Amino acid sequence: DADVTQTPRNRITKTGKRIMLECSQTKGHDRMYWYRQDPGLGLQLIYYSFDVKDINKGEISDGYSVSRQAQAKFSLSLESAIPNQTALYFCATSESGTSGFFGEQFFGPGTRLTVL
Amino acid sequence: AQSVAQPEDQVNVAEGNPLTVKCTYSVSGNPYLFWYVQYPNRGLQFLLKYITGDNLVKGSYGFEAEFNKSQTSFHLKKPSALVSDSALYFCAVRESPGGGNKLTFGTGTQLKVEL
Repeated sequence: DADVTQTPRNRITKTGKRIMLECSQTKGHDRMYWYRQDPGLGLQLIYYSFDVKDINKGEISDGYSVSRQAQAKFSLSLESAIPNQTALYFCATSESGTSGFFGEQFFGPGTRLTVL
Repeated sequence: AQSVAQPEDQVNVAEGNPLTVKCTYSVSGNPYLFWYVQYPNRGLQFLLKYITGDNLVKGSYGFEAEFNKSQTSFHLKKPSALVSDSALYFCAVRESPGGGNKLTFGTGTQLKVEL
């Protein structure tokens, strides 16, 4: 979905490096999410934010941190990358209020991260 | 806690035949159920959802899904498969009340439609 963009699209880094993945959206949604996708495991929620001042841990937050710089921007950081963080990372958004209550989420194209 | 199971890693179907991708769920309250599709090198795209009402839900690209409360299932169906339907399909559930607008996804089912 072009309304949700992620940069970079691909990144190769080395163990111990700090890396930031960025997500921007033009949908005007309050809620934003970070997931990682691993083959055979589906999508796992890392962090989510219901507004600029509200950030919550998901299922697998260890080793990750996030920053909600504005309503439209939500970045994910790996402070010291390790090989088992090699995965496909997705950002998603959803509305708040009545529409968002039902949970439909809109996904970015993903960032493929490789940690050597 | 909410959970979703997709028992088949892969489903193979001949073009023109009906297809079914299976999903079962577990929630404490009422379920909100979703199907998403992922094409290669793309993010997930919303297909359809069940919130309440008619157990048969129609969505994008000719897909539909049937909610069965007694069997806790929400299988995705299409009467006539196309080669272009080949993709990775994810079922997701959100519990109501509670759930915090967080979706729990299944592990995905790879659909292959062949000529």
